[in-house]
Amino acid sequence: RKEVEQDPGPFNVPEGATVAFNCTYSNSASQSFFWYRQDCRKEPKLLMSVYSSGNEDGRFTAQLNRASQYISLLIRDSKLSDSATYLCVVQGGKLIFGQGTELSVKP
Amino acid sequence: NAGVTQTPKFRILKIGQSMTLQCTQDMNHNYMYWYRQDPGMGLKLIYYSVGAGITDKGEVPNGYNVSRSTTEDFPLRLELAAPSQTSVYFCASSRDRAGETQYFGPGTRLLVL
Repeated sequence: RKEVEQDPGPFNVPEGATVAFNCTYSNSASQSFFWYRQDCRKEPKLLMSVYSSGNEDGRFTAQLNRASQYISLLIRDSKLSDSATYLCVVQGGKLIFGQGTELSVKP
Repeated sequence: NAGVTQTPKFRILKIGQSMTLQCTQDMNHNYMYWYRQDPGMGLKLIYYSVGAGITDKGEVPNGYNVSRSTTEDFPLRLELAAPSQTSVYFCASSRDRAGETQYFGPGTRLLVL
């Protein structure tokens, strides 16, 4: 089993759609969780940290379920500029990156 | 602040050649990291450093070496390039422990033929 596993993509959605990405992790001792965004051929950048109680940043909502070892990212009202690859990242000692889920938002 | 800078942006190597990928950060971060990213894959940690003079292996260290003589610089050395080392290499830094936000450089694309 992979340490961090994400939904295989790509996700192709129209502008204005709501889209959800899922991620599971294998190490129950993991302590910190993040979503990073990576634009094509660019470096990853932090999108948001994920807290136990769930957290929201504008159109983005992140949830953590420790019992199921599962993280999610919800994007509401998708914009063209949201097109990117979204990386689930888990820290249990070192940061472990998922393989990423590609999102393409179409007009 | 320039953040994390990497040179070169792109390089083609022949099998068996050597090269050093440069990484510099101006944020006075203690932790620095080298990752490689193969197409459609997540980032894999090659080496990391928790401070000047201290380095440690990550998940995929074979074929690479690093040094950390200053807080700012963390070069990655490839001694005998192999086609399997064709990848995009990212350097990153964080202020303290590994759980802190990591700031990435723009990457170096390496092609080994």
